[in-house]
Amino acid sequence: KNEVEQSPQNLTAQEGEFITINCSYSVGISALHWLQQHPGGGIVSLFMLSSGKKKHGRLIATINIQEKHSSLHITASHPRDSAVYICAVVRGQLTFGSGTQLTVLP
Amino acid sequence: DTAVSQTPKYLVTQMGNDKSIKCEQNLGHDTMYWYKQDSKKFLKIMFSYNNKELIINETVPNRFSPKSPDKAHLNLHINSLELGDSAVYFCASSQAGTGISVQFFGPGTRLTVL
Repeated sequence: KNEVEQSPQNLTAQEGEFITINCSYSVGISALHWLQQHPGGGIVSLFMLSSGKKKHGRLIATINIQEKHSSLHITASHPRDSAVYICAVVRGQLTFGSGTQLTVLP
Repeated sequence: DTAVSQTPKYLVTQMGNDKSIKCEQNLGHDTMYWYKQDSKKFLKIMFSYNNKELIINETVPNRFSPKSPDKAHLNLHINSLELGDSAVYFCASSQAGTGISVQFFGPGTRLTVL
């Protein structure tokens, strides 16, 4: 079993929908990252969290340390949000989830 | 201005060869990383390095070695390439400490071993 589990693996949504991607982990961590990998392959860091909640534009990330769970929310989704979203936990080194492929249809 | 750059973007080579991938960051960051993304798109850290400490993922074969001529560069040398080394390799950097600050990624180098 991977230390970091993401769900769902694949997600298709209609433009405008509210989207939630989940990340659960099984070990104690010092921080958690959410990354976005574009269809062209480039990787962008979206958030780094150690507690609570962060917001950037239409993106919101939350983390519950006690429950070992984080969520990434996208409000008013748009086709340009289509990408792979990757969760990574920090426990010394970074350990990555397998990613969630999001497709937003117009 | 490119924050983290890698060269080459594509690298095709024969089994058994030795190759290098270069990485440079102009962000003034203290820590640099190498990651491998396999054919299933799964990312795995290979190394993290600052001017004080090299942390090696214990699963990385010793055919892989990072070389840092200065704080802005972390190159990846691979000896005796194998078919299983085919992957996309990403370099990244962060302001401080392994994983505890936001990371900036290079565009990736797609390595194909024939």
